[in-house]
Amino acid sequence: GQQVMQIPQYQHVQEGEDFTTYCNSSTTLSNIQWYKQRPGGHPVFLIQLVKSGEVKKQKRLTFQFGEAKKNSSLHITATQTTDVGTYFCAGRRNTGFGQGTTLQVKP
Amino acid sequence: DAGITQSPRYKITETGRQVTLMCHQTWSHSYMFWYRQDLGHGLRLIYYSAAADITDKGEVPDGYVVSRSKTENFPLTLESATRSQTSVYFCASRTGEGYGYTFGSGTRLTVV
Repeated sequence: GQQVMQIPQYQHVQEGEDFTTYCNSSTTLSNIQWYKQRPGGHPVFLIQLVKSGEVKKQKRLTFQFGEAKKNSSLHITATQTTDVGTYFCAGRRNTGFGQGTTLQVKP
Repeated sequence: DAGITQSPRYKITETGRQVTLMCHQTWSHSYMFWYRQDLGHGLRLIYYSAAADITDKGEVPDGYVVSRSKTENFPLTLESATRSQTSVYFCASRTGEGYGYTFGSGTRLTVV
């Protein structure tokens, strides 16, 4: 089975609210990657985190890698309708994508 | 993302038929992957390849065959299609460990 678990599976928010998805691994990860898949589209690479405790920002998106390198989070500030889609994390080499968190934003 | 191409985009086939999904990348990436995506299951790895002539099973390989005689091509064959193989199939590539995956646009396969 998959080695990285993502929660929640689904999230509905009102436009302007914040959103967070979490990725947890049973083993230490060398790195973690995040992807976004728009409805009907394909996953697109967003970012990679490598260092323990690393934090990276892309506009309204904040990505964190846990100190133990077993968990990660993606936080979106003030969601917009353009944020709709499924967000995946990938950690284990050559295999492990989380199940994804599907975000729906009500305008 | 024009460098990785999947064909066909849509395919309907009958149970028991053999069908091949094509994947071509123009970057000479070492690694190539096949995933299937089903509602509630996220992305599940079928097979992957670290280089030409090197392939390995993923999480759900049963009923599928792959080959990689050339670096740029990684076809996926369903030897005898079953309804449970109805899915969206994504091919992906990456240059190596620690690099992001680039996905193709996907093939939506329906087995009737």
